[in-house]
Amino acid sequence: DIVLTQSPATLSLSPGERATLSCRASQSVSNYLAWYQQKPGQAPRLLIFEASNRVTGIPARFSGSGSGTDFTLTISTLEPEDFAVYYCQQRSNWRWTFGQGTKVEI
Amino acid sequence: EVQLLESGGGLGQPGGSLRLSCAASGFAFSNYAMTWVRQAPGKGLEWVSGIIGSGGSTYYADSVKGRFTISRDSSKNTLYLQLNGLRADDTAVYYCAKVAVAGGDPFDYWGQGTLVTVSS
Repeated sequence: DIVLTQSPATLSLSPGERATLSCRASQSVSNYLAWYQQKPGQAPRLLIFEASNRVTGIPARFSGSGSGTDFTLTISTLEPEDFAVYYCQQRSNWRWTFGQGTKVEI
Repeated sequence: EVQLLESGGGLGQPGGSLRLSCAASGFAFSNYAMTWVRQAPGKGLEWVSGIIGSGGSTYYADSVKGRFTISRDSSKNTLYLQLNGLRADDTAVYYCAKVAVAGGDPFDYWGQGTLVTVSS
């Protein structure tokens, strides 16, 4: 299975700052990478698919980039509601894997 | 509006069984693959199982293969997950999710989750 490694595990920032989250795949996933946000007690929410396509309704401050094995989720200006855990995900041969998550905390 | 509502969680005995259900509405259920994802307490997300729209093909994580069975009933717009041979490490919140038609097949809608606790 393809392993996704996210870094850092925790990102301590303040509202208004820029957040840069990394996801590295153990082998190429082309651009088939998604990003999710999860807040405590809630289900995950899809933010980005195909590495850089933002889901309808997701604010423009969220952007994704990368291809192959290295991907980045950027939150340009952190809002208070953005403090959460973020997961990357890929699918290969009808098996999905998630990264271990990056917690963005105040 | 797409809605997914899981049920069937609860306390299961080691070696026992549970059946989870996920009632879907707001989309053409039989046209979409569906999946189950779980999250152990305080841990990350783990994909468990997936099934194509017709139900003709199913897929499982190695950790549950041979013990869990995914199925769907399009007449009831319901997804199921039969959990047999329960183990303590199956304790988790189980989410059903709709698979989007997009590269990489991401999960665009999720239920609220149902908690399975395996303990004697």
